[in-house]
Amino acid sequence: SQQGEEDPQALSIQEGENATMNCSYKTSINNLQWYRQNSGRGLVHLILIRSNEREKHSGRLRVTLDTSKKSSSLLITASRAADTASYFCATTGAQKLVFGQGTRLTINP
Amino acid sequence: NAGVTQTPKFRVLKTGQSMTLLCAQDMNHEYMYWYRQDPGMGLRLIHYSVGEGTTAKGEVPDGYNVSRLKKQNFLLGLESAAPSQTSVYFCASSRLSGNTIYFGEGSWLTVV
Repeated sequence: SQQGEEDPQALSIQEGENATMNCSYKTSINNLQWYRQNSGRGLVHLILIRSNEREKHSGRLRVTLDTSKKSSSLLITASRAADTASYFCATTGAQKLVFGQGTRLTINP
Repeated sequence: NAGVTQTPKFRVLKTGQSMTLLCAQDMNHEYMYWYRQDPGMGLRLIHYSVGEGTTAKGEVPDGYNVSRLKKQNFLLGLESAAPSQTSVYFCASSRLSGNTIYFGEGSWLTVV
């Protein structure tokens, strides 16, 4: 399976701090995507990084990709209470997107 | 722009009953997917479709059937519901493989 695996499974930080989540996968990929899921809602796309890219930014989000280590990280800077959610990485292989189990992020006021 | 719409949002079934979940997308996407999400298990792909009239099995297809008779619709059927199928079901679509996937809001199914 090329399923991504997020680490840590749960993360709790103070508002204003940075949050870093990691994702590891097993096989070669075309791209890697990060999604956010608020409790009881569907997943929302955050950012896509292609296999030939090493770093990508979007607002307070920074994603890195290391294909040699088969890993990616998602950094959320200056966290806010509204960032409380589950975050999933997903890897693209043959025709379908495969998700990891997610990191549950809690931002404490 | 509605995006991806799932119906029903909530349903309680008795063991052995059948039902169909309907997914509709208005983005003219080729690819559509059905996932299930269980606590601590992330999302697991049930079935997917790469275009009208096509379907393919995902990671956990047993006990489910799907149909894609129209490009905008992807139906997920449970022929004989089992308690193990109690879950939250998400439909999603994308323009092509590897593109951003757009999700519906989920369908909560309980089998008693």
